[in-house]
Amino acid sequence: DAGVTQSPTHLIKTRGQHVTLRCSPISGHKSVSWYQQVLGQGPQFIFQYYEKEERGRGNFPDRFSARQFPNYSSELNVNALLLGDSALYLCASSLPRTQETQYFGPGTRLLVL
Amino acid sequence: AQSVTQPDIHITVSEGASLELRCNYSYGATPYLFWYVQSPGQGLQLLLKYFSGDTLVQGIKGFEAEFKRSQSSFNLRKPSVHWSDAAEYFCAVGDRNAGNMLTFGGGTRLMVKP
Repeated sequence: DAGVTQSPTHLIKTRGQHVTLRCSPISGHKSVSWYQQVLGQGPQFIFQYYEKEERGRGNFPDRFSARQFPNYSSELNVNALLLGDSALYLCASSLPRTQETQYFGPGTRLLVL
Repeated sequence: AQSVTQPDIHITVSEGASLELRCNYSYGATPYLFWYVQSPGQGLQLLLKYFSGDTLVQGIKGFEAEFKRSQSSFNLRKPSVHWSDAAEYFCAVGDRNAGNMLTFGGGTRLMVKP
């Protein structure tokens, strides 16, 4: 089975632009989470979606938004990009069970100039 | 709020030597605990996890970890390190009440000397 896939792999944007990152979960997984990993730090939780509903949100500004589609894929949108948004954006998928293990994709590396 | 501390930012060991990476967590109840490994430029690969039961858990690649409630620790161990183990290791705690949202530590970078 294919793992979590993310696109694009790399992206370069300039300040003030917006960006859309995409994630396809493992087949059968209905929950998708997004994390931001700034260079040299551990990942930080941004959003979790389950059955197209937002299930959790981390401490990120409203410039960050996400959605989940009927096929359980997901998009992360970031508006008005700042230099500090440069990071590796990781998507993780999991089954909708109490003991949920999250499986991560390879990430999208975003550079904001 | 939950938190994870990995006290060692960098660790260097010789190939064949034993390894222990430290992880301390803060969580109000019995936690879900995880260790992930990240190679340069890659995503996170799950090494092992603890949900309940036996406090010594076995993972992939010969790694194991022990949950010690009294010390709020979940240290990762390997008896004999291989050069291919050089990577960044992240400990994480999952919030049972929030869809297992993960809080990660800052990571420990492992270097392996030949």
